[in-house]
This record gives sequence, C-alpha cells and structure tokens, in this order.
Amino acid sequence: DTGVSQNPRHKITKRGQNVTFRCDPISEHNRLYWYRQTLGQGPEFLTYFQNEAQLEKSRLLSDRFSAERPKGSFSTLEIQRTEQGDSAMYLCASSSDRDQETQYFGPGTRLLVL
Amino acid sequence: KQEVTQIPAALSVPEGENLVLNCSFTDSAIYNLQWFRQDPGKGLTSLLLIQSSQREQTSGRLNASLDKSSGRSTLYIAASQPGDSATYLCAVNYNNNDMRFGAGTRLTVKP
Repeated sequence: DTGVSQNPRHKITKRGQNVTFRCDPISEHNRLYWYRQTLGQGPEFLTYFQNEAQLEKSRLLSDRFSAERPKGSFSTLEIQRTEQGDSAMYLCASSSDRDQETQYFGPGTRLLVL
Repeated sequence: KQEVTQIPAALSVPEGENLVLNCSFTDSAIYNLQWFRQDPGKGLTSLLLIQSSQREQTSGRLNASLDKSSGRSTLYIAASQPGDSATYLCAVNYNNNDMRFGAGTRLTVKP
C-alpha cells in the first residue's frame, strides 16, 4: 500500500504562470478530494470526484482553477495565471465507497507564488 | 454559517501531563466529527472519528468526546509524550463530502 502520493512536493513560480499538480489516490479508492491549506489555518475543501465525475466544487475554486480526473484514477489540479494569494499547501485525499467517511491524505504540494 | 473553532491555538506542556483540546462548531446538524494530526509540512492522519449518534471514541491514549447539542468536542490525550507534538485538527463533516476544519491546536510536549 503506497498511500496517496502528490507531485511535486514543492513548487515555486512567478505570478502569472500556470501550474499543475498531480494526485495519485490509493488504488482501489474511487473518491478523490482536493483541499487548500494556508499557513496557520485548517484545510478548506475545493472539489470532490467520484470516479471521473466532479460532483462538488467549492466557491473557493475560481475560474482560474480546474481539476480533472479523466480515467477515474489520478487527478490533476491546474491553476492558471497564478496570484500571490494562491500560495498555500494543496492537499489531496481519497476514500473508498466501502468506507467513504475515512479520507486518507497525501503529503501535499506546497506552492509559493512570487 | 458552518464554523469550526479550536481552542487553544497553541499549547505547551511537560511530558507526562494529561491534556484536553477543544473544538466547537456552530451548526449541530453534523454527519460525523474527526480529529486529525498534522506534522509540520506533512499531510493529515486521522486519529478518531465519532459518528453523530456516538458520544465518544477511544484509541490508545486518545479519547474524543462529542456533545452535538452544545456543538462541542474534546480530544483528551493521556500521559503526553514528546512524540505527540504536532498540530491537532478538528473536522466536522456535514454531508459526508463537506468537511469543515478548525484552524488547529499546535501542541508541544517538552521532555
């Protein structure tokens, strides 16, 4: 069991650039979640997939953000035209239908926008 | 508005002490409540999950209680150890997909 993995672990970019993060959930998990965590705060829900379908999106997910899970396995989160306020830790979690209440979190991708 | 508040924001105790972390939430129509541990720069590890119909859950030296009517939960850590040093996050789940987190309590256990 390799757990939830996220890549890259760290990303530094200049304002206005696009960035893409990847999340690989636990293999048999069909539910996948993205969260954003700023310094000193708890994670905030961004979006949720069940298999390849994106079922919920937070209002925090502006039109510069897009998430995909094309084959119901790994997911990508893209941020276009990054702003300094996008600097945060982006966390991915997955769960199974059988135990959907228990979300397993990845180590996160820390983004710094200069 | 569904808000989750954790008090204190930071706590420092000597090794061996018993301690209590507090979590309060404004909307009592919860699905379940979880306590997580987060080490610096790392993801979250689930510690305890309490269903809305339950009053408490125990795992080793950890005990979590839930009082839904008053909108409160506590995490009790017995005989604290330096390895318990981490940030502890309370998360309230409202519809099984909408989990609201508190800002966390940063715990330091001094040897």
